[in-house]
Amino acid sequence: GENVEQHPSTLSVQEGDSAVIKCTYSDSASNYFPWYKQELGKGPQLIIDIRSNVGEKKDQRIAVTLNKTAKHFSLHITETQPEDSAVYFCAASTGGYQKVTFGTGTKLQVIP
Amino acid sequence: SAVISQKPSRDICQRGTSLTIQCQVDSQVTMMFWYRQQPGQSLTLIATANQGSEATYESGFVIDKFPISRPNLTFSTLTVSNMSPEDSSIYLCSVDSSMQSTDTQYFGPGTRLTVL
Repeated sequence: GENVEQHPSTLSVQEGDSAVIKCTYSDSASNYFPWYKQELGKGPQLIIDIRSNVGEKKDQRIAVTLNKTAKHFSLHITETQPEDSAVYFCAASTGGYQKVTFGTGTKLQVIP
Repeated sequence: SAVISQKPSRDICQRGTSLTIQCQVDSQVTMMFWYRQQPGQSLTLIATANQGSEATYESGFVIDKFPISRPNLTFSTLTVSNMSPEDSSIYLCSVDSSMQSTDTQYFGPGTRLTVL
């Protein structure tokens, strides 16, 4: 089955700096890659996703890149703010109601 | 995106008892999923709740321990049976985004379960 590895497990940045979280996946058939943000005491919230026919996608301060050849994808957050502090999960799926496999999570702390 | 609610939001239960968690969606969805998130860990899929048929369980999870109901397209329940302290986790319901085949899953707020 699919295996998703995520790094780093914890990340501290100064407010205004950029944060990058990286994930690798094992199943070359995976074609859908969502990212979730989970704040303390809440359920995961979808923040951005990318499909295999796209190499990069951006939404305001958040961007995701995908390298299908290398089987890795990354989340980039620019101009970080304290409210970006949360646990971020990457995930991979082969699509069409198939199982979504989650990474191990990255705890991001933005220091004011 | 769908609005998902779960009841209860948290509970503290005694060993050997059972708890039923409810998941309600504000629109019809094809697929509903139940996940477990142990403290400080990632999300692990327990099962897929299929409307009109039995749930599909992932390896390591069995129906006797985690019976699931899916009576219609907006509601599902997960029961955690004969609980032990190892069942202390956050249980999350998720749904697909529409009636059409899609990949995007949205999550409910979770049920935080503590077993003493």
